[in-house]
Amino acid sequence: KNQVEQSPQSLIILEGKNCTLQCNYTVSPFSNLRWYKQDTGRGPVSLTIMTFSENTKSNGRYTATLDADTKQSSLHITASQLSDSASYICVVSAGGSQGNLIFGKGTKLSVKP
Amino acid sequence: GAVVSQHPSWVICKSGTSVKIECRSLDFQATTMFWYRQFPKQSLMLMATSNEGSKATYEQGVEKDKFLINHASLTLSTLTVTSAHPEDSSFYICCVPGQGADTQYFGPGTRLTVL
Repeated sequence: KNQVEQSPQSLIILEGKNCTLQCNYTVSPFSNLRWYKQDTGRGPVSLTIMTFSENTKSNGRYTATLDADTKQSSLHITASQLSDSASYICVVSAGGSQGNLIFGKGTKLSVKP
Repeated sequence: GAVVSQHPSWVICKSGTSVKIECRSLDFQATTMFWYRQFPKQSLMLMATSNEGSKATYEQGVEKDKFLINHASLTLSTLTVTSAHPEDSSFYICCVPGQGADTQYFGPGTRLTVL
């Protein structure tokens, strides 16, 4: 069964600190892996997308890594800001139709002053 | 990038009534749009694919007669929740595929609360 599991479920950090969110997946076939940021009450916004051959991709203070062998990905946030408070969703695509996007439940990040 | 809007952003209705949610692609035309539902602390779940000029395709377990989808034009898709019940209370999000491969833009979502 295709699954995407994220950890931790929630995380609280102080402003300015770094953090790393984890994503493990069992999706086959694998097309790409995406990280989205979802503010409360809003739709998801894309942060990064990585294919099988890519093992790291950055978007400003966000850096995603992918280990296709162990089927793990991480999202590292550097020098966190209050505006980083949101849910971060890992999504794995098995290719083909939209129905082959497998969404994780997300990690809820709270950045405190 | 594409801008996707939804209207309304939130709605509260009585049980048994119908609610229409609009999704608009503001930047470009979309022959296909996707509707998702998200319950609290849960993943986004694909409900259906809206197709301009033809019938929507529904995911397994989604009642097509309850969730009516109309892709009226290349920039507008509507989702109507008919005879809404409290268990239909959820966050409904539309998604528009971008012009690049694997590019997608989600709308801001509509919070539906059925009393």
